[in-house]
Amino acid sequence: EVQLVESGGDLVKPGGSLRLSCAGSGFTFSNAYMSWVRQAPGKGLEWVGRIKIKTDGGTTDYAAPVKGRFTISRDDSKNTLYLQMNSLKTDDTAVYYCTTHRAGWFDPWGQGTLVTVSS
Amino acid sequence: EIVLTQSPATLSLSPGERATLSCRASQSVSSYLAWYQQKPGQAPRLLIYDASNRATGIPARFSGSGSGTDFTLTISSLEPEDFAVYYCQQRSNWFTFGQGTKLEIK
Repeated sequence: EVQLVESGGDLVKPGGSLRLSCAGSGFTFSNAYMSWVRQAPGKGLEWVGRIKIKTDGGTTDYAAPVKGRFTISRDDSKNTLYLQMNSLKTDDTAVYYCTTHRAGWFDPWGQGTLVTVSS
Repeated sequence: EIVLTQSPATLSLSPGERATLSCRASQSVSSYLAWYQQKPGQAPRLLIYDASNRATGIPARFSGSGSGTDFTLTISSLEPEDFAVYYCQQRSNWFTFGQGTKLEIK
């Protein structure tokens, strides 16, 4: 069974940094494109960014609101995806989900981890 | 950016009734459209991909149709567990989601 487990969510002050992790199991992690998607409280879903597999260059892409502040990386030896978030803003408050790309679609998703940016 | 507009925002129906949810794209996304279901406190779950293909384990009462800019998710006969929020999502040009349709019990 494919499982994704996020961790690292916390309360952080505006301007601060945080790193989220997502541990994958039940699938060949190194062969999976991975994305982060977030959901602000009571709001809809917003794609944050993606990382490709190493054989496709391992490159990353980001949504405009987070470009230059967030960095996605992966450690295939640990089956773990990361999201480094810097210069956090109150608008970044959300549940952050990691998800795999299956046939190009987000499936499945982790249970999410809550990031709260507040003074 | 491709904007997806879902309607209605809220749909009130009874178990056993047929539900029809709409998603309109601001420009053509071909068939690169998916539907997700999200229940309170849970992560989204993929229901339909490539506009009309059911994901693994999804009951046959869920069906998707459409192409280009207009798409529909139909639930043929609502079960109690189907009351949730539904999102459409496109991957034709990066990734964007609709704002969601809340399907509530009447």
